[in-house]
Amino acid sequence: QKEVEQDPGPLSVPEGAIVSLNCTYSNSAFQYFMWYRQYSRKGPELLMYTYSSGNKEDGRFTAQVDKSSKYISLFIRDSQPSDSATYLCAMIGIQGAQKLVFGQGTRLTINP
Amino acid sequence: KAGVTQTPRYLIKTRGQQVTLSCSPISGHRSVSWYQQTPGQGLQFLFEYFSETQRNKGNFPGRFSGRQFSNSRSEMNVSTLELGDSALYLCASSSPDRGEEKLFFGSGTQLSVL
Repeated sequence: QKEVEQDPGPLSVPEGAIVSLNCTYSNSAFQYFMWYRQYSRKGPELLMYTYSSGNKEDGRFTAQVDKSSKYISLFIRDSQPSDSATYLCAMIGIQGAQKLVFGQGTRLTINP
Repeated sequence: KAGVTQTPRYLIKTRGQQVTLSCSPISGHRSVSWYQQTPGQGLQFLFEYFSETQRNKGNFPGRFSGRQFSNSRSEMNVSTLELGDSALYLCASSSPDRGEEKLFFGSGTQLSVL
């Protein structure tokens, strides 16, 4: 079993929809949680960076962490075609921030 | 401020050859990490260098090695290439000594092994 599980999709939704992306993890040592966005032929770009359980909002994006359930989510409101990309969750454990453990990534398409 | 730069963008090699990939971190960043991305395994950590010293290492064979220079630029080497080494190799930089733990990735080097 992988330390971080993420549904690879693909996920296709109409423009303007609310998108929910999720990851579960098994290692309770994970302390920091991130969401990256990766466009085709590009490197991952950091979207959200959270530590504690609860919600963190940044524009149309909301990251949610539930450490008791070992579950994290990313919500995208008013989705746009430019949001079409692969979204990766990532986590940091005790070995430090440079060794991220990634989910498989969810490929998202927003249809105009 | 310029981002993380990786060269070359694309490489085609044959089995048994060796390859060297290069990474220039964001100016002022002293930590460089390398990751391998494949459709089957996703993103996997290779190793991390800080001030020319390897601090962390992932679960990859010894054919994968790296180094960091005094200007923080880093190189990754893969010897005796195998078909399964075909992947996107990503470099990321950060500045943990300045409290900047977040990783910033380059666009990667796409390696194809024939």
